[in-house]
Amino acid sequence: KQEVTQIPAALSVPEGENLVLNCSFTDSAIYNLQWFRQDPGKGLTSLLLIQSSQREQTSGRLNASLDKSSGRSTLYIAASQPGDSATYLCAVLSTNAGKSTFGDGTTLTVKP
Amino acid sequence: DTAVSQTPKYLVTQMGNDKSIKCEQNLGHDTMYWYKQDSKKFLKIMFSYNNKELIINETVPNRFSPKSPDKAHLNLHINSLELGDSAVYFCASSRQGQPQHFGDGTRLSIL
Repeated sequence: KQEVTQIPAALSVPEGENLVLNCSFTDSAIYNLQWFRQDPGKGLTSLLLIQSSQREQTSGRLNASLDKSSGRSTLYIAASQPGDSATYLCAVLSTNAGKSTFGDGTTLTVKP
Repeated sequence: DTAVSQTPKYLVTQMGNDKSIKCEQNLGHDTMYWYKQDSKKFLKIMFSYNNKELIINETVPNRFSPKSPDKAHLNLHINSLELGDSAVYFCASSRQGQPQHFGDGTRLSIL
């Protein structure tokens, strides 16, 4: 059974800092890994998707890496802004089960 | 607009009632999902349909019954609602191996 863990559960940083969010998974037989953002009371917005054959994906100030063998992914946010404040979720699509398992999220607060 | 749309956005009802939540996507995706997000914000998959066929059915009470009339729609019907059903229900869709796109959620409150 796939288990996905995100550390830390909450993070508060001053504006302008670079930061890293972590996601680990127990079963390396994955199809892809997706990072989402969820604002309070809203749905999930897809940020980046990394296929199992890829090592990283970049979009603007965001960079996501994937190390399948160690069961880890990181989401790097450069030059953080107050508008980045949200909960960030990673989801792993397992090849065996054919379904996505979500981590519990990291709630990020960027202070002006 | 291309999107995953859910209706209603809010649903407040009494225990024991039967209710439905509708989901439609116009992205041309072949797979649709229902997720439940509880008060602790934990997001768990409930069902997944691919080309109108059920492919994932997690441990969900049989009071929950998904219906997919076509590839663009996946509705969720809930019988005999209980207090523990209060949550936000998200519909999502994707092409195989591609990013999932989520609706804005349906906030279900049981009185």
